[in-house]
Amino acid sequence: GQQLNQSPQSMFIQEGEDVSMNCTSSSIFNTWLWYKQDPGEGPVLLIALYKAGELTSNGRLTAQFGITRKDSFLNISASIPSDVGIYFCAGQSGGGADGLTFGKGTHLIIQP
Amino acid sequence: EAGVVQSPRYKIIEKKQPVAFWCNPISGHNTLYWYRQNLGQGPELLIRYENEEAVDDSQLPKDRFSAERLKGVDSTLKIQPAELGDSAVYLCASSLTPGSPLFFGEGSRLTVL
Repeated sequence: GQQLNQSPQSMFIQEGEDVSMNCTSSSIFNTWLWYKQDPGEGPVLLIALYKAGELTSNGRLTAQFGITRKDSFLNISASIPSDVGIYFCAGQSGGGADGLTFGKGTHLIIQP
Repeated sequence: EAGVVQSPRYKIIEKKQPVAFWCNPISGHNTLYWYRQNLGQGPELLIRYENEEAVDDSQLPKDRFSAERLKGVDSTLKIQPAELGDSAVYLCASSLTPGSPLFFGEGSRLTVL
């Protein structure tokens, strides 16, 4: 089956630093999504990407859909304490015929 | 607009007992998903519905798990009998169409003792 490799597994950073995380896939996806999950909550959609090469921003967050369609990255600029959480990448293939395949998550910890 | 609603939020049961989870998707969303999330892992798809039809249940352990979405809106996921390894968070999600982004509920955390 499809596999997503998400890295890093965890990040310990200082408040105000920029953050970068990425996902690579063994197969091509048509859609890449990035979610954030807080403890005890469900994943919340941050950014959706639909086209190879697409670069999309949502406030301090920027995500890109890789040209090869097998990777994506998420950047967070000027991190703040509320950015703490687990970030998941997710890919979808088959024009929506398949459900999302999730990475294992990047746990972001911010030290004030 | 209300999001995806799930209940119960938490459930603790002994092994071999049955358990059921309920999900109400976002109004107008025809596609509904059940995911299972183990500790420290990303969500994994159990079953996907298009209206009332289960279009992908290949990852659903059919010997003990069942799901239904009789009127194409609310859905229930049942486990009978539960095993220790079923302890996880069960997430429901919905999307407007099969290819549009998924929106998740808060999840139902199951602990099997």
